[in-house]
Amino acid sequence: GAVVSQHPSWVICKSGTSVKIECRSLDFQATTMFWYRQFPKQSLMLMATSNEGSKATYEQGVEKDKFLINHASLTLSTLTVTSAHPEDSSFYICSARTGSEEQYFGPGTRLTVT
Amino acid sequence: AQSVTQPDIHITVSEGASLELRCNYSYGATPYLFWYVQSPGQGLQLLLKYFSGDTLVQGIKGFEAEFKRSQSSFNLRKPSVHWSDAAEYFCAVVPISGGYNKLIFGAGTRLAVHP
Repeated sequence: GAVVSQHPSWVICKSGTSVKIECRSLDFQATTMFWYRQFPKQSLMLMATSNEGSKATYEQGVEKDKFLINHASLTLSTLTVTSAHPEDSSFYICSARTGSEEQYFGPGTRLTVT
Repeated sequence: AQSVTQPDIHITVSEGASLELRCNYSYGATPYLFWYVQSPGQGLQLLLKYFSGDTLVQGIKGFEAEFKRSQSSFNLRKPSVHWSDAAEYFCAVVPISGGYNKLIFGAGTRLAVHP
């Protein structure tokens, strides 16, 4: 149980285009979902926290107009990288949590912007 | 400054040898403490966690960790490493003042296992 999936696992897009990443909790309802960014050989940095039906809370330094987060249902959150540029290339990881329990992490999505 | 420190970026051990990965934190109040493992192509998996109580915590895959308040440490240990343990290990904390919300990760320790 407690499986979180992400789609796609790897995406390549051209500079200036937008790309959407999906995060799904497959066997539980997630009241809260988190989005992290991980640069090569570095740690995870929290980008934003989203609660179902509410606007996401972004961490300091994260551009909310560039990284659009939607948490429309208890099992789905999406991260849209708008007008992507090469510096947005990274590994994006989501996690999901229900109540006060631990976070369950997705396998990550590697974004490459050319 | 508040932080989570993993002093060892990369560790190599022989299969069957014991392992200890270090984690230190710097917070006013003892945060919730976690160890995660990240393998290629897989999501982060929780190995163990400490909220309160017994300072020696048993986790999955034969791992354990000991919380030492005097040293602000939460080191991860395994008595005998298997080749499949090669992965990236992250210590993480949830500051008490922030509520159970934000996981703050250390820089990670990459473990290599020699046959």
